[in-house]
This record gives sequence, C-alpha cells and structure tokens, in this order.
Amino acid sequence: GAVVSQHPSRVICKSGTSVKIECRSLDFQATTMFWYRQFPKKSLMLMATSNEGSKATYEQGVEKDKFLINHASLTLSTLTVTSAHPEDSSFYICSAPDLGSNQPQHFGDGTRLSIL
Amino acid sequence: DAKTTQPPSMDCAEGRAANLPCNHSTISGNEYVYWYRQIHSQGPQYIIHGLKNNETNEMASLIITEDRKSSTLILPHATLRDTAVYYCIVSPNTGNQFYFGTGTSLTVIP
Repeated sequence: GAVVSQHPSRVICKSGTSVKIECRSLDFQATTMFWYRQFPKKSLMLMATSNEGSKATYEQGVEKDKFLINHASLTLSTLTVTSAHPEDSSFYICSAPDLGSNQPQHFGDGTRLSIL
Repeated sequence: DAKTTQPPSMDCAEGRAANLPCNHSTISGNEYVYWYRQIHSQGPQYIIHGLKNNETNEMASLIITEDRKSSTLILPHATLRDTAVYYCIVSPNTGNQFYFGTGTSLTVIP
C-alpha cells in the first residue's frame, strides 16, 4: 500500500542549528501534506498544511518564520526548524492523503528532534 | 480544534473484545469518523473509517450511532500488540486537516 517516508528518524543537534526534515510520498502524488508536532505523552498537534506549488497554511500560534515549509514537488515536503532551541525538541510527524484513490491519510514514522 | 472526546485509558484482557467509545456530538453531516492508533514512538496507523453505516475490515469494526453523535471501535480479539493510543477523528474527507483529540490509551493485559 501507499507509504509516507520521513527522514531523518532521529536528529540531535546543538542549539541555534537549523534542522531540515523530509517527508516523501513513495508511490503516490501528494499535492497536500500535513505537519504535526507531538510532545511526550501528548496528542498530535497540527502545525501546518503544506501545499505543492504554493505557500503553506499555518495553524494559529505556529510561527511560520520558525518552521519553514517547502513543498516543491508532488512527492516531497520539507519542514525546516530554524535556529532550533531546546524547547523545539519534539516528535515531528508528517502525513499525506492519497487523493487520487481517496485513501485515508498515511502518516510517516516521525522524526525525533533533540536540541542540546 | 478536535471535535471528539474519548476516555483517557482502558484495559482489556487478551483475547477479549476491546470496545473503545468516542463522542462527536457536533459532527457535521459531511464529516467522516476516522480511527487511527499510535504505538509508542511511531506514526499513527489507519484502522477504519465510516460515514454513517457500520463498517468492518480485517482489523476492526466501527459502529456509528444512528444520530452519528458517537461511535465505538471494536477490536474483536485483542492481542498484546494492540496496546496503543487510539484516536477518533472527524473530518470531511481524507484531504482535510485532522485535529487529534487526547485519544484512549488501551492496555491489553495477558
């Protein structure tokens, strides 16, 4: 079945570093992808909707200059956490719907980001 | 914002049916009910979805009340691998945003 792949699965870096996370749809085209953040023992929180060929739509309270989203192709969306700080440490997850077949949203396995 | 409420936790004996309830009293006529589960440190896994009819697949059954204000996910024979957090989500279709509630942490007990 359809698969969404995230890379890297885990990243540890120093405070002030910018970190890029990739989300790929492996066997279907995704004009829309979604980015979530999840803190320990909490639910997933929708951060933004990534739209191929246009600007992302951010949820209220999410800083668009902090979390840069680029959806340059029909199979790839990237989330860049700019100048990351320890409070940005979290589990970041992407998802993509296969609109062509009306399949439910497929989720990636997440990226564990730890900022030292 | 999430339009669903679920009990925070439930236990179920291995081999027994697990019945997970979800309230969605403000659901709109065009919104589906989706169920996903998340095993620790993984992305959510799709289980089942429905609009108004009951649905069954190889993983589970979904029972939606006639007024559509609540639903129940049924895992017919729970195994230890079914231990996870289960999320009920309402959305017009798979291409729309999913707003997750707090989910139900299901523990299957040997």
